[in-house]
Amino acid sequence: GDSVTQMEGPVTLSEEAFLTINCTYTATGYPSLFWYVQYPGEGLQLLLKATKADDKGSNKGFEATYRKETTSFHLEKGSVQVSDSAVYFCALRGVQGAQKLVFGQGTRLTINP
Amino acid sequence: GAVVSQHPSRVICKSGTSVKIECRSLDFQATTMFWYRQFPKQSLMLMATSNEGSKATYEQGVEKDKFLINHASLTLSTLTVTSAHPEDSSFYICSAMDPPEQFFGPGTRLTVL
Repeated sequence: GDSVTQMEGPVTLSEEAFLTINCTYTATGYPSLFWYVQYPGEGLQLLLKATKADDKGSNKGFEATYRKETTSFHLEKGSVQVSDSAVYFCALRGVQGAQKLVFGQGTRLTINP
Repeated sequence: GAVVSQHPSRVICKSGTSVKIECRSLDFQATTMFWYRQFPKQSLMLMATSNEGSKATYEQGVEKDKFLINHASLTLSTLTVTSAHPEDSSFYICSAMDPPEQFFGPGTRLTVL
């Protein structure tokens, strides 16, 4: 079945550092790919998405490119802020199974001033 | 974006009792809602898909008689954990579809003593 694998956390960086959180997937066909963010005490929020190969999703300085050849959707940000501290989830929505999302295990990110 | 609420945010109950968790879409109607379970430091696992006016669709391995789901209106789905036991302690998260997006509630932490 479909699955998502994220780099294990926790990840701790200093403010203004470059961020990469790796995400790879296994799925049939061309799934849609997502990054969600969960701030402390809150629900998941959609951060960005890409629906076809080579698409780049971007939001709030974060970017991720849908790479079909490497089945990856790595999250990047050039200069992180303390306010980016949260848990980040990579997810896919398969071609089959309609609206169901399959999540990676989540990566906790802490940014120190 | 659309707002999804959950109530209660936190509940502690004794073993053998039943607990009801509500999920509401506050500013949109949702024919489809989802219930997830999140273990510490693990991913969200889809438990069931809740469809307004019809029976929920449960994922493999989820006991439908233990986790009762009712989606009686377009803005409310409920999850009842029946005869709860300590192993049911977890973080339960709902989401509601406002196509093409899925919006998440803030979660309910259940502790069974």
